[in-house]
Amino acid sequence: QSALTQPRSVSGSPGQSVTISCSGTSSDVGGYNYVSWYQQHPGKVPKVMIYDVSKRPSGVPDRFSGSKSGNTASLTISGLQAEDEADYYCCSYAGRYSFVFGSGTKVTVL
Amino acid sequence: EVYLVESGGGLVQPGGSLRVSCAASGFTFSSQWMTWVRQAPGKGLEWVASIKEDGSEKYYADSVRGRFTISRDNAKDSLFLQMNSLRAEDTAVYYCVRGAAGLDYWGQGTLVTVSS
Repeated sequence: QSALTQPRSVSGSPGQSVTISCSGTSSDVGGYNYVSWYQQHPGKVPKVMIYDVSKRPSGVPDRFSGSKSGNTASLTISGLQAEDEADYYCCSYAGRYSFVFGSGTKVTVL
Repeated sequence: EVYLVESGGGLVQPGGSLRVSCAASGFTFSSQWMTWVRQAPGKGLEWVASIKEDGSEKYYADSVRGRFTISRDNAKDSLFLQMNSLRAEDTAVYYCVRGAAGLDYWGQGTLVTVSS
């Protein structure tokens, strides 16, 4: 159950788009369509932004979108806003009824 | 509205035991998978354990299997995590979370500190 690989940080200016990658293996990300993404502001509780690879819970802006290709999932934030500055974590089902989180990515709005 | 309120965290010595609880409200508890996720200070999220709606299936991270036990009381809308043989590396905020593949509601967390 090794953590999924995410870039340590990504940054962008307001209005730009940023994409966070989440790299796994065929035993987790590549093997199942159960990838979710969580946003966590400093000192706050994580919030689900995407589940089942690309589904968006009600209340989450459509600026957030998810996708997957092979063993890598991605979260794209379009039209970046100041309040999007936070840590983001991916999570995938890893078979044998286990789950694994990514290492986390800090998004900075310049 | 969905509420998840954890309790039972605290300071425990290495090798000791602790039981954390989670009181759920605002949804049909007995119809939902439930999960514990932890976060060590300044670190990322780690899946700990999940339990099926009726408690018949329980799954654990390798790091806690054999030491931690997840359980639930659907009559009392409560989730539990019994933690034995605690180690320094178990120090973390423990979150009670609704769901499994999609973790849609999180409690505020309870801090467990393992130290002598």
